[in-house]
Amino acid sequence: QSALTQPRSVSGSPGQSVTISCTGTSGDVGGYNFVSWYQKHPDKAPKLLIYDVYKRPSGVPDRFSGSKSGNTASLTISGLQADDEADYYCCSYAGSPSVFGGGTKVTVL
Amino acid sequence: QVQLVQSGAEVKEPGSSVKVSCRASGNTVTYHSIMWVRQAPGQGLEWLGRIIPILGVTNYAQNFEGRVTITADKSTTTAYMDLSSLRSDDTAVYYCAYSGNYKLHYFDYWGQGTLVTVSS
Repeated sequence: QSALTQPRSVSGSPGQSVTISCTGTSGDVGGYNFVSWYQKHPDKAPKLLIYDVYKRPSGVPDRFSGSKSGNTASLTISGLQADDEADYYCCSYAGSPSVFGGGTKVTVL
Repeated sequence: QVQLVQSGAEVKEPGSSVKVSCRASGNTVTYHSIMWVRQAPGQGLEWLGRIIPILGVTNYAQNFEGRVTITADKSTTTAYMDLSSLRSDDTAVYYCAYSGNYKLHYFDYWGQGTLVTVSS
């Protein structure tokens, strides 16, 4: 199972929006509505941001939103804040296993 | 709320095995699943496998098939990840994560991570 493809980095100024793409295949992203997104700060455990493509767990601000089109899922962070500077990973169910993306570093300028 | 507490850091020699534990407490439910993920230094997250303790069902990443074994003790709500034939590139932080329904494919509670260092 190959890792999902994410851009290595994206950046934006406070208040701006950034979008992270996550490209897979019909065997993972395109075949199931089971894409999740995790935020990871250095030396901390990952935190669930989005599940089932667009759903947000309670406590996650609505600045974070998810979508999917074909084999590509996306995470959009609106109203960028300093604390949003972190690594972001998509994850997709792919039959029995799941697979992560390579991760995207978000830098707040 | 569910809390996951993992075992402590390990230093292992190449060729040996390591077993990391993950104990769940709090509002755990019967039909949960536990996922294991790792992050090597400077690298991204890598999915290792998953177990549904109540059903005894396991799924493994193809890259680790035959080297990783995930088990669970239902009586203590503890999951274990055993990785054998260790190599230097297995040096990583290993995380367990919990999903409150095995039919779901996301994990909202995570352990603190366990650093496994493979070195001679």
